[in-house]
Order: sequence, then C-alpha cells, then structure tokens
Amino acid sequence: GAGVSQSPSNKVTEKGKDVELRCDPISGHTALYWYRQSLGQGLEFLIYFQGNSAPDKSGLPSDRFSAERTGGSVSTLTIQRTQQEDSAVYLCASSLEGTGSYNEQFFGPGTRLTVL
Amino acid sequence: AQSVAQPEDQVNVAEGNPLTVKCTYSVSGNPYLFWYVQYPNRGLQFLLKYITGDNLVKGSYGFEAEFNKSQTSFHLKKPSALVSDSALYFCAGRGFGNEKLTFGTGTRLTIIP
Repeated sequence: GAGVSQSPSNKVTEKGKDVELRCDPISGHTALYWYRQSLGQGLEFLIYFQGNSAPDKSGLPSDRFSAERTGGSVSTLTIQRTQQEDSAVYLCASSLEGTGSYNEQFFGPGTRLTVL
Repeated sequence: AQSVAQPEDQVNVAEGNPLTVKCTYSVSGNPYLFWYVQYPNRGLQFLLKYITGDNLVKGSYGFEAEFNKSQTSFHLKKPSALVSDSALYFCAGRGFGNEKLTFGTGTRLTIIP
C-alpha cells in the first residue's frame, strides 16, 4: 500500500518568503506528526495531530510556524517569513490511533527546505 | 521530561562481526522504545519496538534489541554485520500516554568490508 508522501521533495526559497509543505499520511492513520531534522542533528518534534486537532503544539519554534490538518488526512506546515535557520529536512509521520497507543510511526521521505 | 541518549555518534564494525548500537532512555512510567534506520536521502524506516513482555525484541533485517530496565537501556544488536547495514540509526522512546516521541541524536553505523 501507499506510504506517507510529502511534497515538494525539495524547496529553495528566499529569506522572508512564505512556504507551505504538504504531507499525505497513510490512509486510516489518525495520528500525524511533523519533525525537523537539521544537518548533524537528531529529530526535533514540531507538532502532533490527532484527527484534525493538535493537542500538542509545544515544539513549534516560533509563531512563524503553523500547521493544519483537514478531513483527518492531509496536513500542511506553513512557515512564514522564512529565515536561514529554518533550512532543514522536514519529516512527516503517521500512525494508527494516538493517545496511549504503542503503534510505530511511519515516516515520509521528507521535504528539504533551503532558505537563501 | 523524557530523554533518549545515543552516546556514540559513529560506530565502525568489520563485515561479519557482531554490532551493537547503544541507547539509554529516561521516561515516566512504562517505556515504549523504538529503533529506526535512515538510509541516505530517504525517510526513517521502522526496525523494531519494545512495548512489554520479552526483553529481547526481534525486528527487520536480522536486527534485535535488548531491553534492560535496571540499566534503562535498549541497545540494538545484530550477530553478523553486512555492508548494507551502513546507515544512520535512531533510538526513540516515550512514556505511556505521552504522544511525543523523543529521538536520540542518531548513530552513524559504518560496516567495513
């Protein structure tokens, strides 16, 4: 079956521009996660959705970052007024269920964002 | 706050030798622990997980991991390394009821032919 897909795979933008990153989770997965992976760093948790709601937004680095999920499926991560420090690989993952579950997360291939 | 540590940034092992990639954790309550592998220019792939029960967990590609509660460790192991095992390995964990999965910083495993 289809896995988690993300688009675009690569995005180069100029400092100050807004960008939108898209994630299509595995069908039937109610939980969706966004992470950021910077060069040489581990994964940094950004936000988690259970259905369309985001009970945990604690990882968003600043108010320039926002995310939404519609129809319990597709999610978009928006970064406004991008800065060079936003350059990273943004990973999306999905899993069955949410709170209290022990299901593993399935990751997409990521979007490599470069801010010039 | 929960945390996961991978004390080695880099591990080199000769092909055919056993390998170990170390991981220690700190979570509240019973831990859920995971290992993921990342190949170049690809997303993370799930290898195995510990939820409860047998301390030795078997996963994909011949990998296994041993849960040790007293040492709060969850080391990844394989009896005989292959060159194709060369990749970046991440340990992750969370406490029961906590949806935030905390990742270690990763260990780059290189298998030398």
